[in-house]
Amino acid sequence: ETGVTQSPTHLIKTRGQQVTLRCSSQSGHNTVSWYQQALGQGPQFIFQYYREEENGRGNFPPRFSGLQFPNYSSELNVNALELDDSALYLCASSQGGNSPLHFGNGTRLTVT
Amino acid sequence: QKEVEQNSGPLSVPEGAIASLNCTYSDRGSQSFFWYRQYSGKSPELIMFIYSNGDKEDGRFTAQLNKASQYVSLLIRDSQPSDSATYLCAVNEEGGGNKLTFGTGTQLKVEL
Repeated sequence: ETGVTQSPTHLIKTRGQQVTLRCSSQSGHNTVSWYQQALGQGPQFIFQYYREEENGRGNFPPRFSGLQFPNYSSELNVNALELDDSALYLCASSQGGNSPLHFGNGTRLTVT
Repeated sequence: QKEVEQNSGPLSVPEGAIASLNCTYSDRGSQSFFWYRQYSGKSPELIMFIYSNGDKEDGRFTAQLNKASQYVSLLIRDSQPSDSATYLCAVNEEGGGNKLTFGTGTQLKVEL
């Protein structure tokens, strides 16, 4: 069984740039969620995708956007990067409903 | 604003002792409760989940849920140095959908 995979592992960007992070969900999982984890904090919910549609969004501005593809993989796009966007970005997949989330290894984004 | 509260620690216990980690939540309608373990620099790993009042045991781990008190706990028996990590409590929103709200985590240190 293949777990959740994310790419890239690390990324350094400059303020104002745009970034795309990628995630492949675990086999059999149809729901993908993205979380942002700042240093010393718990993960914060960004949004969730189910059947290629956004299915809930946290308190993040519109410059955070996403996609889900027919194979359930997903992308997180962040435009106009700010210094505070520096964080660990976590993708998690699940079978939907109340089933547990399984996280990928994350992408560490540093904005300078 | 949904909140999940955890003592940040560090909680220090000797090897072989029982570690008790606690979490309170504000959303009375929450349905599902999760404990994740996170090693420094790594992504969260699912340890336990519980949906009903009472205790749920899995090996050395026991999750306890009291919905009336809005309280969930994790007990780790026979603590090992490898259990040293940050433990994140997560709660889903009313209606499910796995849009989790996380606490900031409790750092556990198991000392030889």
